[in-house]
Amino acid sequence: SQELEQSPQSLIVQEGKNLTINCTSSKTLYGLYWYKQKYGEGLIFLMMLQKGGEEKSHEKITAKLDEKKQQSSLHITASQPSHAGIYLCGRNSGGYQKVTFGTGTKLQVIP
Amino acid sequence: GAVVSQHPSWVICKSGTSVKIECRSLDFQATTMFWYRQFPKQSLMLMATSNEGSKATYEQGVEKDKFLINHASLTLSTLTVTSAHPEDSSFYICSASWGGETQYFGPGTRLLVL
Repeated sequence: SQELEQSPQSLIVQEGKNLTINCTSSKTLYGLYWYKQKYGEGLIFLMMLQKGGEEKSHEKITAKLDEKKQQSSLHITASQPSHAGIYLCGRNSGGYQKVTFGTGTKLQVIP
Repeated sequence: GAVVSQHPSWVICKSGTSVKIECRSLDFQATTMFWYRQFPKQSLMLMATSNEGSKATYEQGVEKDKFLINHASLTLSTLTVTSAHPEDSSFYICSASWGGETQYFGPGTRLLVL
């Protein structure tokens, strides 16, 4: 099984709706990254959460880290077509800043 | 800032040939670069970690003689897929960091081996 499971696997929402993506780790989370990927492209760094209870926001995207639950959530408010893509969470998994990625969540936003 | 480029963006080659993919950090010096592979509809799988001037560390199951990594300078790492076969067709992505905890990713290289 995967170290980092994301849910849902895919999501279709209407423009303007809010949505939440979850990332659950089978191991203790000391820090978590969120990235966005458009199909066939590289990853765009969204944010990094380092402390339990930490919450960060960038434009309409907010992410929280719940260390006790070994979980992070990414919330998008008033979604837009530009939010469409694959969202990946990742955690440090060893030396040299190795990152293990989650299973990914594909988001489609319908105008 | 923190821009990483890859070249080529996509390549088609014949089975048995070798393909080199370049990863460059354009506006910073990358002490560490990573190479990932991504299959369709799947997440990224780390192949290897390379530090400038030293040998790459390969993940379990990744053939070091098949995927040659060279990190000759603080701004350039190359991945050479030797004697490529159709099963090597994939999307290869590099990332770079400079001692911090954030990795910055290149746009990826799509490889198709015929």
